Amino acid sequence: SQTIHQWPATLVQPVGSPLSLECTVEGTSNPNLYWYRQAAGRGLQLLFYSVGIGQISSEVPQNLSASRPQDRQFILSSKKLLLSDSGFYLCAWTTGWYTEAFFGQGTRLTVV
Amino acid sequence: GQQVMQIPQYQHVQEGEDFTTYCNSSTTLSNIQWYKQRPGGHPVFLIQLVKSGEVKKQKRLTFQFGEAKKNSSLHITATQTTDVGTYFCAGPKLGSSNTGKLIFGQGTTLQVKP
Repeated sequence: SQTIHQWPATLVQPVGSPLSLECTVEGTSNPNLYWYRQAAGRGLQLLFYSVGIGQISSEVPQNLSASRPQDRQFILSSKKLLLSDSGFYLCAWTTGWYTEAFFGQGTRLTVV
Repeated sequence: GQQVMQIPQYQHVQEGEDFTTYCNSSTTLSNIQWYKQRPGGHPVFLIQLVKSGEVKKQKRLTFQFGEAKKNSSLHITATQTTDVGTYFCAGPKLGSSNTGKLIFGQGTTLQVKP
């Protein structure tokens, strides 16, 4: 069966520090991968999506970047965190369109 | 731009009461999905509706897709404390065929008093 792993679960980082969040999917090949951010008490905002290795599309301008070095690995990064980067980051995958999204456990990032 | 709105934002009910959340899209949707997020957890897929006027049931949950495919609702009969969480609707982002990109509503957070 397919599983998605996301880590770390919780992270507290100072302003200006770098960020690297990792997500891996098991049990499927060539998934569409996504990074979403959820501000406290709000809905999910799509940040990045990828349909294949090295193929990244950004949905909103921001201080973050994403990379997909392997088929089932998706990384969210920042060179210098801002206070506004705080939030709940969720990795998700789908097999394409008209299919449900499967979410990882999420990373709760607090920038202090 | 494309928007998906949900009402109400919060709902407090007594256990055993019914609950309904409404989802409205600014554009016609090819399908609509519903997710549940427990407090501190991640969204979990509940159901997908595709056809105009479609109604689907999962035990005490009833999902409906509007005739114009621009609105949807989730109704829970006789709520239980296990129903606590935030319910999101989501539709495909315009121009995103074969990518699975979703636009989410803001969610409706349900609190159930035992």
